[in-house]
Formats: sequence, structure tokens, C-alpha cells
Amino acid sequence: DTGVSQDPRHKITKRGQNVTFRCDPISEHNRLYWYRQTLGQGPEFLTYFQNEAQLEKSRLLSDRFSAERPKGSFSTLEIQRTEQGDSAMYLCASSYGLAGFKQYFGPGTRLTVT
Amino acid sequence: GENVEQHPSTLSVQEGDSAVIKCTYSDSASNYFPWYKQELGKRPQLIIDIRSNVGEKKDQRIAVTLNKTAKHFSLHITETQPEDSAVYFCAASRTYGGSQGNLIFGKGTKLSVKP
Repeated sequence: DTGVSQDPRHKITKRGQNVTFRCDPISEHNRLYWYRQTLGQGPEFLTYFQNEAQLEKSRLLSDRFSAERPKGSFSTLEIQRTEQGDSAMYLCASSYGLAGFKQYFGPGTRLTVT
Repeated sequence: GENVEQHPSTLSVQEGDSAVIKCTYSDSASNYFPWYKQELGKRPQLIIDIRSNVGEKKDQRIAVTLNKTAKHFSLHITETQPEDSAVYFCAASRTYGGSQGNLIFGKGTKLSVKP
């Protein structure tokens, strides 16, 4: 499967713990996006990378969230000191070329904070 | 902040009928409008997209229309089939300037096609 992959698919953690998710984009896609989706809502933009540079973060993104994309390939999203409100599906998408090119989504990581 | 409104939130049609989903956007600089289909427990799947330099685009049973003046775009599905049942999301983004590429999504439309 050459699509976007994410790991893990599910994560259950206790409030206050740190979690890290990984996204592997489609090979040669230079743009990588992170979105968050809660039940009954559309995905909400969190941050994006062009190659290894993180170019924008949503104003809604708490400073407990950090993302990296070393070497412009896979990306990680870390949430520190998780809260129950962080429970959601975390989706990664990748695209090739400039903005406005088709974004392809991964299967997501479902986070449950107890 | 920028916003995309989507209607209706639920839509039930008989197999073979047409379905129309409508979206409006607030950012006049938006110029790229994709539509995604999301089945339960699956990833959003891009089904069609349109750029602001065209008013309509078709792909088999699916078509999208865009009215930039009204900041309004719609998804049309003809000859619906039970496998079209899913949640459909519209989205809008800019391809230049600040926030370029970031998709702003509507809240989704749950389409049910009855056999």
C-alpha cells in the first residue's frame, strides 16, 4: 500500500500522560498536514510542513502539541500532559507540489484520554 | 475566523435519485474546493475538486459547481447507489498567501441511499 500511513491506529492513555503519533506520507509528497476530527465534525487544521519546515500552526493548537518532520519524510505529533478534551481522531494528509494540490489522508490515529 | 457552512446535515434519497449538497465559504481568497467522502471508520477520500477558474467539473456521476460571486459551491450525485451512502465533506482553501493549502472543512452531510 503506497498511501499515507499512520501509527498507531488507536491509543488509549490516561490524563496527564504524553503520547506521540507517527505519519508516513506518500513517497515524494513534500507537503504534510495534521488535522484533528471529533465526532460529527469535519477535520480541523492543526499544522503543516513543506519538506522539513513547519510553516504554519493553527491558533487553536495548544503549546502542549508539537510536531516535527525531520528530513522531510515522516512526521510525528506529540501531545504532552494529555487532557480529556484531546480525545479525537488525528488525521495526517500529504500532497505534492504547491498549495492547492490534492491532499490524501491517512487512516488516522484515534486517541482516547481517560 | 474563516468558515465553511454545509447543508443539509443529513440527506436521505431513494436509489437512482439525485443528491445535492451545498456549501458556502467566507474567505473570498479561497480558490480551491475539494470534496471528500468518509465511510464509517475510514479515512476521508478525495472524490472531486474544483479550482476557482472553472465553474463546473464532472466525473461520471459526480459533478461540482462553483459560484465565486456568491461564494457558494455544490456537489451533485446522479443515479445514486447504496454504496454512495457515507458522510460527505466540502472544504475550501487558498493556494497563495497566508494559510495556503490549509483546508477549512464543513461539518459534513450524512447521505443515506435507500435501495
